Amino acid sequence: GEDVEQSLFLSVREGDSSVINCTYTDSSSTYLYWYKQEPGAGLQLLTYIFSNMDMKQDQRLTVLLNKKDKHLSLRIADTQTGDSAIYFCAESEGGGYQKVTFGTGTKLQVIP
Amino acid sequence: NAGVTQTPKFRVLKTGQSMTLLCAQDMNHEYMYWYRQDPGMGLRLIHYSVGEGTTAKGEVPDGYNVSRLKKQNFLLGLESAAPSQTSVYFCASRDPGQGVSEAFFGQGTRLTVV
Repeated sequence: GEDVEQSLFLSVREGDSSVINCTYTDSSSTYLYWYKQEPGAGLQLLTYIFSNMDMKQDQRLTVLLNKKDKHLSLRIADTQTGDSAIYFCAESEGGGYQKVTFGTGTKLQVIP
Repeated sequence: NAGVTQTPKFRVLKTGQSMTLLCAQDMNHEYMYWYRQDPGMGLRLIHYSVGEGTTAKGEVPDGYNVSRLKKQNFLLGLESAAPSQTSVYFCASRDPGQGVSEAFFGQGTRLTVV
């Protein structure tokens, strides 16, 4: 079955860039997502990328997709303490959520 | 602007007890989902529904039942709770539409089975 892998923890200093990595196994993935989960809250969609794109930039966020290596990354520029959260990578074959597979989540700790 | 509301937020059950988790959404979404979140395992889909009166099994359905009698509500039932069902449960809803459409999540229900 589909598998999505992430490292569990990342610690960065405030003002530095954070890079959260994700690898997936499903070659038919069409959409790849990044969700953010703040303490005590549900997940919120942060950004997504179509599989026919290499990069997507949205303000401080840059998503890079290497489809050949099935590798997705999320770069947060000028990381702030408010960015401390768990970040989930997810993939699906289509827009439907019946087959969305979530990664284990990466806990980002931002040190002031 | 409530979005997705889960009830209750916390619960402690004894092994063998039953309970129902309620999820309510006010966005008129067709699709609703129940996930469980466990440390180091991400989110796993328990059951989902693509419309009123329909339900389907997800990745980890055993020990759970669901009902979608009204479009806005999706209920998750545990008939005989087990310690392995200690987890944080999340409900989500989505409007299918075309292409990517965002799923909205509730704040979660933390369930402990002792």
